[in-house]
Amino acid sequence: KAGVTQTPRYLIKTRGQQVTLSCSPISGHRSVSWYQQTPGQGLQFLFEYFSETQRNKGNFPGRFSGRQFSNSRSEMNVSTLELGDSALYLCASSWGSQNIQYFGAGTRLSVL
Amino acid sequence: QKEVEQDPGPLSVPEGAIVSLNCTYSNSAFQYFMWYRQYSRKGPELLMYTYSSGNKEDGRFTAQVDKSSKYISLFIRDSQPSDSATYLCAMSDRFGNEKLTFGTGTRLTIIP
Repeated sequence: KAGVTQTPRYLIKTRGQQVTLSCSPISGHRSVSWYQQTPGQGLQFLFEYFSETQRNKGNFPGRFSGRQFSNSRSEMNVSTLELGDSALYLCASSWGSQNIQYFGAGTRLSVL
Repeated sequence: QKEVEQDPGPLSVPEGAIVSLNCTYSNSAFQYFMWYRQYSRKGPELLMYTYSSGNKEDGRFTAQVDKSSKYISLFIRDSQPSDSATYLCAMSDRFGNEKLTFGTGTRLTIIP
């Protein structure tokens, strides 16, 4: 069974640009969560989507948004990039009825 | 103050030693506790999942939860070089809540 797939693996952008990251969950999983990982703050929860609806949201500004498609694939968008957005963005999928999440390898975003 | 505190290390121990990793937390609503392992350039993978207070053992790994002290631990027996990774604790307040709160992680190196 294929794991969680995130694309692209690496991205370099400049301040002010926007970026879209993609996540394909494990087959059958209906919940997709996104996290930001930085050396100082660790993993911080961005949001969770379940059956195309945002079910949970963390404390990030509105520049961070996401969506989920009918096949459970999810995208995350960051607009007006700032230097502080440089991080590893991790996607995790689950059945949606437990706390057990399976993570992808992440997309490393560098903002110059 | 962070909801979950974890000593970032780094922690270096000789092969075969017993490793103790710990997290403290402030939110008494947390009931579900997890330990993840993250290798370099990989996403976190679930090691242990426990509910409420008590111990859980899985092979060389033992997870302990003391809710009265708001303290959780992960013990690794007969440590191996392949255990070298960053270990993350994570918590949730209710079953089915996919929003996990993570510690910042402890970097562990097992010296052959």
